Amino acid sequence: DGGITQSPKYLFRKEGQNVTLSCEQNLNHDAMYWYRQDPGQGLRLIYYSQIVNDFQKGDIAEGYSVSREKKESFPLTVTSAQKNPTAFYLCACTAAGPYNEQFFGPGTRLTVL
Amino acid sequence: GESVGLHLPTLSVQEGDNSIINCAYSNSASDYFIWYKQESGKGPQFIIDIRSNMDKRQGQRVTVLLNKTVKHLSLQIAATQPGDSAVYFCADRFSGSARQLTFGSGTQLTVLP
Repeated sequence: DGGITQSPKYLFRKEGQNVTLSCEQNLNHDAMYWYRQDPGQGLRLIYYSQIVNDFQKGDIAEGYSVSREKKESFPLTVTSAQKNPTAFYLCACTAAGPYNEQFFGPGTRLTVL
Repeated sequence: GESVGLHLPTLSVQEGDNSIINCAYSNSASDYFIWYKQESGKGPQFIIDIRSNMDKRQGQRVTVLLNKTVKHLSLQIAATQPGDSAVYFCADRFSGSARQLTFGSGTQLTVLP
């Protein structure tokens, strides 16, 4: 089955720790995205990557970092510099071309203890 | 920056009735629009999309209407079913945005028995 996966589904972190969220896709899509969703709110773009070894900051990149070493993988690290990291994190990917929807993973819920 | 917003945060409809969810966008350069459905604790699922050169597009039980004059988008769901209960997001992309989408805050649709 083709799709996009995220792991883990739930993640707990102590203050001051860095954590990495996994996002993998086998759709052969070139662009990948990370969003943050807070309760009752829409999606806010953290980082995106159009091609391997290249990525751009979104609207709320502070306290986050990413890498794109492989086409199918786009991990997100939530660093200790992120002051309010508790949220639902969503990864998405999209095929080449201007009129293609983004496919979303199931999400990772991060809670800071 | 642009904003994509929804007129109503919640909508309750009787099972079997039609639902209409509205969305306003601000960027007249937006050329592609998508509706997503998000169930609790899950990633958004694509419902239907429309390009700016169209006014209407129909899918299975869903219709999207686009009014570029007033920058308004709506999603109509026919014969609403309990499984339609979810949060619905509109998103838009403006030309030259490297395939980024801007999401509204969402409307919670509740289907009453």
